[in-house]
Amino acid sequence: EAGVTQFPSHSVIEKGQTVTLRCDPISGHDNLYWYRRVMGKEIKFLLHFVKESKQDESGMPNNRFLAERTGGTYSTLKVQPAELEDSGVYFCASSRNPVNAGTAYGYTFGSGTRLTVV
Amino acid sequence: AQSVSQHNHHVILSEAASLELGCNYSYGGTVNLFWYVQYPGQHLQLLLKYFSGDPLVKGIKGFEAEFIKSKFSFNLRKPSVQWSDTAEYFCAVKPPAGGYQKVTFGIGTKLQVIP
Repeated sequence: EAGVTQFPSHSVIEKGQTVTLRCDPISGHDNLYWYRRVMGKEIKFLLHFVKESKQDESGMPNNRFLAERTGGTYSTLKVQPAELEDSGVYFCASSRNPVNAGTAYGYTFGSGTRLTVV
Repeated sequence: AQSVSQHNHHVILSEAASLELGCNYSYGGTVNLFWYVQYPGQHLQLLLKYFSGDPLVKGIKGFEAEFIKSKFSFNLRKPSVQWSDTAEYFCAVKPPAGGYQKVTFGIGTKLQVIP
């Protein structure tokens, strides 16, 4: 099966601009997760969709971040306006079953989008 | 809240050397434990996992990890590394099944294997 696809793979924007990241999960995976890794730090959870609904958005850093998953397929993560501290790698993952991360139906990660805000 | 500590942030080894990457977690209950690997330019991949049973877990590519409950540890090992093992390795934990639970990652360890 095709993997989780993220694009762009790299994005360089100026402070104050808007950037939209996209994640296409594996077909049939209802669960979609966004994670972020700021340089030198651990990978941190941002939010979780079940189909088009936000199940948990406790990791979203502030209201400059907006995630959507219209129709329960692909998801977008918009940062508006971007700040320097938003730089990092944004990972998306999808799964069939939310409770079995790591099993055959567990998390499959995308390659990530490296965002640089200058 | 659960947390994960990886002690070695950057490890450099020669080919054929043995590898052990430390991972400790803090969580009061039962956990599921994982090691993920990210090869240069590729996506995060599951290397191995522990849910229950034998605390010595075998993964892909000759990796293994041992869960020591009393030490809250899940160290990753490989007897003889290869240049192709150059990658970043992440330890992760998650409370077990029983509803949605997010994964908590460690900071990662960059492994560089010198031919």
